[in-house]
Amino acid sequence: GAVVSQHPSWVICKSGTSVKIECRSLDFQATTMFWYRQFPKQSLMLMATSNEGSKATYEQGVEKDKFLINHASLTLSTLTVTSAHPEDSSFYICSASSAGGHTGELFFGEGSRLTVL
Amino acid sequence: QQQVKQSPQSLIVQKGGISIINCAYENTAFDYFPWYQQFPGKGPALLIAIRPDVSEKKEGRFTISFNKSAKQFSLHIMDSQPGDSATYFCAASRKGNEKLTFGTGTRLTIIP
Repeated sequence: GAVVSQHPSWVICKSGTSVKIECRSLDFQATTMFWYRQFPKQSLMLMATSNEGSKATYEQGVEKDKFLINHASLTLSTLTVTSAHPEDSSFYICSASSAGGHTGELFFGEGSRLTVL
Repeated sequence: QQQVKQSPQSLIVQKGGISIINCAYENTAFDYFPWYQQFPGKGPALLIAIRPDVSEKKEGRFTISFNKSAKQFSLHIMDSQPGDSATYFCAASRKGNEKLTFGTGTRLTIIP
């Protein structure tokens, strides 16, 4: 299957700082990428849908000013957690779908574990 | 509103046995039902998926059974192996919209 790469795989930061997580589709063009958050032993919760060249669509309850999403190219989307606090500590996972319409299949990255001290 | 309900929350199966995980959905607009496998510290990986036009799909040891009238679908893992120990998520998405709604997950443990 297609490969989606996330970087960094884990990051520790101090409270109040900002952290950027990258999501890349390595062998296909992704018109749409999705960002999920997963707390320990819980399911994946969709945070936002990122469309190349346009503003992200955020799910209800997700602060768009806190979780900045940029999808500047067909192979890269970034999630920036601004002014991070300990409650933002979580496993962040991106997924991508290939260009050309609804195939139904999403490819997931390996996830990025954020720990805010 | 929980749109995809998954059970059981955890499951222990002996090696060689059949593991069965069930999901139920409410939204009749859903038309794509994938199952994902997730190991600790990793992202989910697609196992197998089905659309409502068929009642069963089999890939190797993994089978999805789909009951459209009951709005239920299940994953069967035949000849379960210790390497199958992981968390399994069912999911669903609507036609024309790739946004997935995930079930709550099932932690599967295969014992020797």
